[in-house]
Amino acid sequence: AQKVTQAQTEISVVEKEDVTLDCVYETRDTTYYLFWYKQPPSGELVFLIRRNSFDEQNEISGRYSWNFQKSTSSFNFTITASQVVDSAVYFCALSGTSGYSTLTFGKGTMLLVSP
Amino acid sequence: DAMVIQNPRYQVTQFGKPVTLSCSQTLNHNVMYWYQQKSSQAPKLLFHYYDKDFNNEADTPDNFQSRRPNTSFCFLDIRSPGLGDAAMYLCATSRDPGSEQFFGPGTRLTVL
Repeated sequence: AQKVTQAQTEISVVEKEDVTLDCVYETRDTTYYLFWYKQPPSGELVFLIRRNSFDEQNEISGRYSWNFQKSTSSFNFTITASQVVDSAVYFCALSGTSGYSTLTFGKGTMLLVSP
Repeated sequence: DAMVIQNPRYQVTQFGKPVTLSCSQTLNHNVMYWYQQKSSQAPKLLFHYYDKDFNNEADTPDNFQSRRPNTSFCFLDIRSPGLGDAAMYLCATSRDPGSEQFFGPGTRLTVL
């Protein structure tokens, strides 16, 4: 069985602060994919990143960066210099690679960035 | 530019009155998914189609059915909506299982 844990239910920061959202996963699969999605107040889930389990390189995209540590089964997400528009619920998710794999979501972390 | 379209965005129905939610995609993706999302919860997968192959989640109530008449369209039918079915319903597509999923804006269902 697969499981994704996002221990932080809600985080509040002030604009320009850096913030890290934690994600820990469990799976018996040897190959798998990890994802982050953003859900702003409008409700639409927005894809941010997909990481393959055999690629442990960290990734940076503008103010966003992701730290994948297979040894600790973690896939953490950092927003540098947060902005009010970053306020949203962020979901970490896990998928197998077989033909009928589906996403297992964490419970989400609500990020509130205040001016 | 819209890639995954859901209609209507808001749907109000009466207890027990059948309702159909619609999803269409312009991405030509092989897989289409329906999720239910209640307030402050993660999306919960109801079922998905891999091409014409229907895959139902074990805990999806029989009250929920789906149809995929062609690659572009997928429908969610709720045969007899109960108060507990009030939720946001999200449609998503992916090129293949395991690929990133692209979500529509959702349909918020209210049951009176």
